[in-house]
Amino acid sequence: QQQVKQSPQSLIVQKGGISIINCAYENTAFDYFPWYQQFPGKGPALLIAIRPDVSEKKEGRFTISFNKSAKQFSLHIMDSQPGDSATYFCAAPQGSNYKLTFGKGTLLTVNP
Amino acid sequence: KAGVTQTPRYLIKTRGQQVTLSCSPISGHRSVSWYQQTPGQGLQFLFEYFSETQRNKGNFPGRFSGRQFSNSRSEMNVSTLELGDSALYLCASSLGSGTTYGYTFGSGTRLTVV
Repeated sequence: QQQVKQSPQSLIVQKGGISIINCAYENTAFDYFPWYQQFPGKGPALLIAIRPDVSEKKEGRFTISFNKSAKQFSLHIMDSQPGDSATYFCAAPQGSNYKLTFGKGTLLTVNP
Repeated sequence: KAGVTQTPRYLIKTRGQQVTLSCSPISGHRSVSWYQQTPGQGLQFLFEYFSETQRNKGNFPGRFSGRQFSNSRSEMNVSTLELGDSALYLCASSLGSGTTYGYTFGSGTRLTVV
């Protein structure tokens, strides 16, 4: 079963710092790589996604960097805020375009 | 615009029982996917429905089944519940079939099997 490997498992950052979460995927014929953010008691919410005809996509403080040859992509959160404290999941369509395979998640804590 | 609605939010069942969970997608969305979320395994794909047809199925036993109605609402059923079925069950809707449309998740149904 194809996997999406996400690291680190947990991350503690000071307010104003940069949070970086990495993901690696296996072969996929479909190019769509989203990041989801999940708060306790809620379902995951789409944060940002990239189609790798570009190597980087930025939305506000959130940036996805994509390296197609290495089959890796990462999420950068600039000027991290306590309100960013949540679990982050990367995902990739693997094996079929009808399902997303998710990474195991990264618990981000931003200290004030 | 209403989001994805899952009912019930919480459920406690006994081993051996069966359970049915409901999902109402965003109006106009025709695709519904189901995921199981546990601390150990993370988010695992169960199945996806589009226009009342199951398009894909994950690696779950046949005790897990689902269906979609003509109004795009979906239900999933788990028969002969086991303790390991305790999890958060998430439904996600999208405009079309295929992951590139982007998923909107509901808040989930927390199932506890005792």
